[in-house]
Amino acid sequence: EGQLVVSGGGLVKPGGSLRLSCAASGFAFNTYNMHWVRQAPGKGLEWVSSISSSSSYIYYADSVKGRFTISRDNARKSIHLEMNSLKADDTAVYYCARQRILITSGGLRIEPVFDYWGQGTLVAVSS
Amino acid sequence: DIQLTQSPSFLSASVGDRVTITCRASQGISNFLAWYQQEAGKAPKVLISAASTLQSGVPSRFSGSGSGTEFTLTISSLQPEDFATYYCQQLSSYPFTFGGGTKVEI
Repeated sequence: EGQLVVSGGGLVKPGGSLRLSCAASGFAFNTYNMHWVRQAPGKGLEWVSSISSSSSYIYYADSVKGRFTISRDNARKSIHLEMNSLKADDTAVYYCARQRILITSGGLRIEPVFDYWGQGTLVAVSS
Repeated sequence: DIQLTQSPSFLSASVGDRVTITCRASQGISNFLAWYQQEAGKAPKVLISAASTLQSGVPSRFSGSGSGTEFTLTISSLQPEDFATYYCQQLSSYPFTFGGGTKVEI
């Protein structure tokens, strides 16, 4: 069974930086697209960023574009989210998630679902 | 960007009730829709993928239907452990947006 463990959250002042990590185990990490999703206190889920298995494709929500950078290290089975110029609106629990892959007779098929989620880490931006 | 509108936002129900949650997409997304359940303080858990495919281990009282722009999640007989918040998510195109959520309360 796959497992994702998120770390790196904490309290940071507005304008500051933080780096989140998500360590994967129990599956072939280098095959999967990975994602960051956040949830502000008392609010709904917000997709933040995605990175393809080989880092060839990277996407960001408009709300974080230019400030956040997603990366991955397939050798270390981890993804990271470098967060700069943090604002109070970035206060949230940050989850990493795996996008499912199916092995078919025709090869690997990326499925439209996030099947494993990390436990989340709280990022609080406040002076 | 594709917007997802979930309704209702809050739902008061009793054990044994049949519950239906609707998710409407601002444009057609075929069946690229997933449903998640989130209990307070926990990470989301996937219930349904591809609009109607029940995930392994998820009770059969959960079902999903729809295609294009209108989707539903139905709980046929609400159980105490089902009181949670439910989200739809579209994975047709980036950004992979979520609906606003439906909190199911007693």
